[in-house]
Amino acid sequence: GENVEQHPSTLSVQEGDSAVIKCTYSDSASNYFPWYKQELGKRPQLIIDIRSNVGEKKDQRIAVTLNKTAKHFSLHITETQPEDSAVYFCAASIPGGYQKVTFGTGTKLQVIP
Amino acid sequence: DVKVTQSSRYLVKRTGEKVFLECVQDMDHENMFWYRQDPGLGLRLIYFSYDVKMKEKGDIPEGYSVSREKKERFSLILESASTNQTSMYLCASSLYLGGTPETQYFGPGTRLLVL
Repeated sequence: GENVEQHPSTLSVQEGDSAVIKCTYSDSASNYFPWYKQELGKRPQLIIDIRSNVGEKKDQRIAVTLNKTAKHFSLHITETQPEDSAVYFCAASIPGGYQKVTFGTGTKLQVIP
Repeated sequence: DVKVTQSSRYLVKRTGEKVFLECVQDMDHENMFWYRQDPGLGLRLIYFSYDVKMKEKGDIPEGYSVSREKKERFSLILESASTNQTSMYLCASSLYLGGTPETQYFGPGTRLLVL
């Protein structure tokens, strides 16, 4: 089955700096890569996703890049703000009838004011 | 707005008890999932269901079973609770639009403590 590795496990940045979280996946057939954000005490929520027919996707201060050859994808957050502090999960999904995704182990991002 | 609810936020049970966790979604989603969340291990899939009465094992199904008698409701059952099942349990649902996955919407979670 799919295996997703995520690094780093914790990340501290100064407010206004950029943050980068990296994930690698094992199954070259994977074609859908979502990112979820989980604030303390709250449920995970999708913040951005990318499908394998594109290499990069942006949404305001958030961007995701995908390198299918190397089987890795990254989340980039620019101009970080305290409200970006949360745990971020990457995930990957293999196409097929069952729509399960495999999650990474999470990155706890702390933005220091 | 998609709403996914779970029957309890906190639950304390004794070893050996049978435990039922319930999840309800109100958006007519075909897919429903149960995960457990543990520090450093991320979200691990226990079971999922893509239709009423249909279920598939996830990555860590041992010690768990599920039931989906109605489209909106997906239950997770711990047949005989053990202390290593102390965890946060998250339910999620998603729409089925064809071969590619869609956004998963999560419930608030149930924090289960097994003594």
